Amino acid sequence: EPEVTQTPSHQVTQMGQEVILRCVPISNHLYFYWYRQILGQKVEFLVSFYNNEISEKSEIFDDQFSVERPDGSNFTLKIRSTKLEDSAMYFCASSGGGRVLNTGELFFGEGSRLTVL
Amino acid sequence: LAKTTQPISMDSYEGQEVNITCSHNNIATNDYITWYQQFPSQGPRFIIQGYKTKVTNEVASLFIPADRKSSTLSLPRVSLSDTAVYYCLVRGRAGSYQLTFGKGTKLSVIP
Repeated sequence: EPEVTQTPSHQVTQMGQEVILRCVPISNHLYFYWYRQILGQKVEFLVSFYNNEISEKSEIFDDQFSVERPDGSNFTLKIRSTKLEDSAMYFCASSGGGRVLNTGELFFGEGSRLTVL
Repeated sequence: LAKTTQPISMDSYEGQEVNITCSHNNIATNDYITWYQQFPSQGPRFIIQGYKTKVTNEVASLFIPADRKSSTLSLPRVSLSDTAVYYCLVRGRAGSYQLTFGKGTKLSVIP
């Protein structure tokens, strides 16, 4: 079964450092997302991406965050200058494959745990 | 986005049918109801989606009454591996793919 893969599985960084989280969505999907989950809290939407541009973003997704699809397979989330409160599990997701328009079924990766010290 | 309310936790014995009800009183006409499952330290996994009446797949059934102000996820004959958090989400029509997760229902299956 096709799956969304994320790297790294865990990253530890110092406050103020830049971090790039990488994702390989399912190959024929058209819509890409980042969500995050702070330990013990809800899964929160960050951003959605379609046709090489951001389609929606939340209040969390401020100027410190950016997303990019640098090639035909990768989808990245960059945090420019990490803060302690950025410590969370970051989930990439994709949806909408082939001739079927988006059905609401998002396929999530296993997540990248970011720890900011 | 419509707000959803579901029980914080439920316990069930192995082999029993589990029904988790979610209320979404201000659901909009074009909203779908979607359920996800999440195991600890894993990403959410889509279970089922419906608009009205009943939807069934190989994993679960989803019952939606005519007024659509609530929905019930039914898991037949649960096993220990069904222990997880279950989220009820209401999303808008195509064009808005932002899923709003609530706190979900933590289902604990007991041997």
